[in-house]
Amino acid sequence: DSGVTQTPKHLITATGQRVTLRCSPRSGDLSVYWYQQSLDQGLQFLIQYYNGEERAKGNILERFSAQQFPDLHSELNLSSLELGDSALYFCASSPSGQSNTEAFFGQGTRLTVV
Amino acid sequence: GENVEQHPSTLSVQEGDSAVIKCTYSDSASNYFPWYKQELGKRPQLIIDIRSNVGEKKDQRIAVTLNKTAKHFSLHITETQPEDSAVYFCAAFLDMRFGAGTRLTVKP
Repeated sequence: DSGVTQTPKHLITATGQRVTLRCSPRSGDLSVYWYQQSLDQGLQFLIQYYNGEERAKGNILERFSAQQFPDLHSELNLSSLELGDSALYFCASSPSGQSNTEAFFGQGTRLTVV
Repeated sequence: GENVEQHPSTLSVQEGDSAVIKCTYSDSASNYFPWYKQELGKRPQLIIDIRSNVGEKKDQRIAVTLNKTAKHFSLHITETQPEDSAVYFCAAFLDMRFGAGTRLTVKP
């Protein structure tokens, strides 16, 4: 167990809908990262938050947004869902905002858009 | 952002052979280079990492080498076993971007 908790584990929804994925980082970690992994693909970096503030942005679509709350948990909001958004979404956390320490991954949320 | 190239995309070896996966990066400011292993349907997990002040690091059958001048680093797995079969990802952690991954298959 990495200490990073993601909910829900599985999510099935229809095209055009909106969903929210939740991530609780390890105790004491200030950074949260979100990744998208499509079937047999790599880890596409979406966005990083550090202590409530956006720190870095990757290949995140305009239909997607995220935030980190004062208790440091993070949510990834996906709207106007398309079939191609079906993927495994991981969050990871690390202690600092500098990318020079191990990042611990949650178990992921598998999103299926039908 | 950092650009990380990883090769090969797939690698098949016989049990007991060695496997080598290579990554190159573009930003000379990168100073932390982790390797993650992802088994099917599971989360990526760190297997070894190296910092820019070290040229090589070893942990049992796994080693990582770093050449900062050439901006490349490599993962070496010796005496491979079937349980080493997985997808391996490298990263030059300036901004948490990973390489595309290498699917390693170890044939018994």
